[in-house]
Amino acid sequence: DTEVTQTPKHLVMGMTNKKSLKCEQHMGHRAMYWYKQKAKKPPELMFVYSYEKLSINESVPSRFSPECPNSSLLNLHLHALQPEDSALYLCASRAGGIRSGRTPNEQFFGPGTRLTVL
Amino acid sequence: KQEVTQIPAALSVPEGENLVLNCSFTDSAIYNLQWFRQDPGKGLTSLLLIQSSQREQTSGRLNASLDKSSGRSTLYIAASQPGDSATYLCAQTTGQNFVFGPGTRLSVLP
Repeated sequence: DTEVTQTPKHLVMGMTNKKSLKCEQHMGHRAMYWYKQKAKKPPELMFVYSYEKLSINESVPSRFSPECPNSSLLNLHLHALQPEDSALYLCASRAGGIRSGRTPNEQFFGPGTRLTVL
Repeated sequence: KQEVTQIPAALSVPEGENLVLNCSFTDSAIYNLQWFRQDPGKGLTSLLLIQSSQREQTSGRLNASLDKSSGRSTLYIAASQPGDSATYLCAQTTGQNFVFGPGTRLSVLP
């Protein structure tokens, strides 16, 4: 099983709303990532969690708040977003975990959440 | 700062052609080079991963090579099909971080 799931698929929110994006993997991976992708651009790294601890924050505004409740789950809490935050938000996990048996450092992506901020 | 570039930016070919997509990176301390495919509005699908100790990897009609000394990787697609139409991205990693190239948009015409 090489699946990373993300919910919801689509999200429309106003600038005063609070919402959360969810990501889940059951491959035993111990590194999980959030990326932001604008149209016709490559993914931009936002956050990296390694062994449930935040290890990389690419100077992301505080209106984005990541959370890693356990090794299988990754959340991204959203509050007071701006219209320019509208994008595809991608979650990924990196191989090399206890149960994966996969090539180290191979990264697997979820299908993404299409976020629109009005 | 790590930089990854991809040439060409876009490519349109008739079905059946063999293709070469190019990826260049600046950081010689590369761990791995991974190739992905992305369909419009979708997530990324891993195609091939080449570890720094390897020179190439093959999967079906795809072959990827890695030359660390010149900072280049190529993705070879044999006998292209309309279903291969997508954006192809390469990403290098020197640890936890993955740095992506801008991608090559491929259209294979029937």
